[in-house]
Amino acid sequence: GDSVTQTEGPVTVSESESLIINCTYSATSIAYPNLFWYVRYPGEGLQLLLKVITAGQKGSSRGFEATYNKETTSFHLQKASVQESDSAVYYCALGDNTNTGKLTFGDGTVLTVKP
Amino acid sequence: DPKIIQKPKYLVAVTGSEKILICEQYLGHNAMYWYRQSAKKPLEFMFSYSYQKLMDNQTASSRFQPQSSKKNHLDLQITALKPDDSATYFCASSQEWTEYEQYFGPGTRLTVL
Repeated sequence: GDSVTQTEGPVTVSESESLIINCTYSATSIAYPNLFWYVRYPGEGLQLLLKVITAGQKGSSRGFEATYNKETTSFHLQKASVQESDSAVYYCALGDNTNTGKLTFGDGTVLTVKP
Repeated sequence: DPKIIQKPKYLVAVTGSEKILICEQYLGHNAMYWYRQSAKKPLEFMFSYSYQKLMDNQTASSRFQPQSSKKNHLDLQITALKPDDSATYFCASSQEWTEYEQYFGPGTRLTVL
């Protein structure tokens, strides 16, 4: 089946430092799945951060970016300068395009940004 | 105002009992889903519904039964509860079933003793 592997947390960085959370995927049901990053801030529900549905494209939101790389089957999340408010759990997810609506999630990466 | 309501927030049950988890969405979406997250495991897809019709079921057990009384409701009935059913259950929705941009509720944390 499909799977998603992401940076094992917890990850701690200082404010204004750069960040990268790695995500690689394996999609057995389809060559080019849709890729997503979701985020759960403390005390809040899971929400979509960004998505990319076309290989080679980049998605961005709230200063975060991720590029869909079909050669390396990766979708790493990056931010040039993190803020304390970015502390959250980040989930990489894959949608298999077989019209099931199923998202396959990674384990999540806990990010703590120190002031 | 919350757009996806899940009730209750916490639920404690005894082994062998039956519980219903409630989900209502006020986003005007036509597709709804259930996911489960057990301790130290990723979110796991369970069901998808479109216009109140079951589209996909990836749970291995018939003890889990979704129930859709209205388009914006998708409850989850769990019978003969087991300790392994302890998890946080998340309801989600999307505009259409073929869209993967899903909006999630806050979850119901179920503990089975």
